[in-house]
Amino acid sequence: AQKVTQAQTEISVVEKEDVTLDCVYETRDTTYYLFWYKQPPSGELVFLIRRNSFDEQNEISGRYSWNFQKSTSSFNFTITASQVVDSAVYFCALSEAPYGNNRLAFGKGNQVVVIP
Amino acid sequence: GAGVSQSPRYKVAKRGQDVALRCDPISGHVSLFWYQQALGQGPEFLTYFQNEAQLDKSGLPSDRFFAERPEGSVSTLKIQRTQQEDSAVYLCASSSVDPTFNYGYTFGSGTRLTVV
Repeated sequence: AQKVTQAQTEISVVEKEDVTLDCVYETRDTTYYLFWYKQPPSGELVFLIRRNSFDEQNEISGRYSWNFQKSTSSFNFTITASQVVDSAVYFCALSEAPYGNNRLAFGKGNQVVVIP
Repeated sequence: GAGVSQSPRYKVAKRGQDVALRCDPISGHVSLFWYQQALGQGPEFLTYFQNEAQLDKSGLPSDRFFAERPEGSVSTLKIQRTQQEDSAVYLCASSSVDPTFNYGYTFGSGTRLTVV
């Protein structure tokens, strides 16, 4: 069975501070896919990144970066120089297939509050 | 359309009432998912369609929940004899199976159901 753990429930940071969100996953599959989604107050889940289990390269996209460590089953997400617009709930998710063929298993989410 | 559209945006139902929630996926998307998101939790899988075929309904919590996608596009999630524990946001997601499409799953804004 797949399982995703996001231990921190709410994280408050002052604007311009960095914030790191931890995600630990469990799966028996050798091929799997990891996602991060952002859920602003409007409720829609906004796709941030997809990473497959064979690609352990870290990725940076603007102020966002992701650290995938297969050895520790972790896929952590860092927001650098946080802004008020980053305030949202962030979900880590796991799937056996990247496109439409399998369900996503979500963690409970991290509520990020950026204080101006 | 450009995104996944869900209606209504909000629904208040009296306990025992039947409700129908609609999802309009991205045109041409083969796969469609329904998720249930309780307050403060991550989304939980309900059911999955590939075209008009319902391939997985293992997440439906009871036989009061029923989903259909008769023509392989629009889907309806129906809840009969609603109960207070059905109060949640119901999210719909669609996906292409084209591996060149990098976004994975695209989510709608959800329907917030409140049972009183």
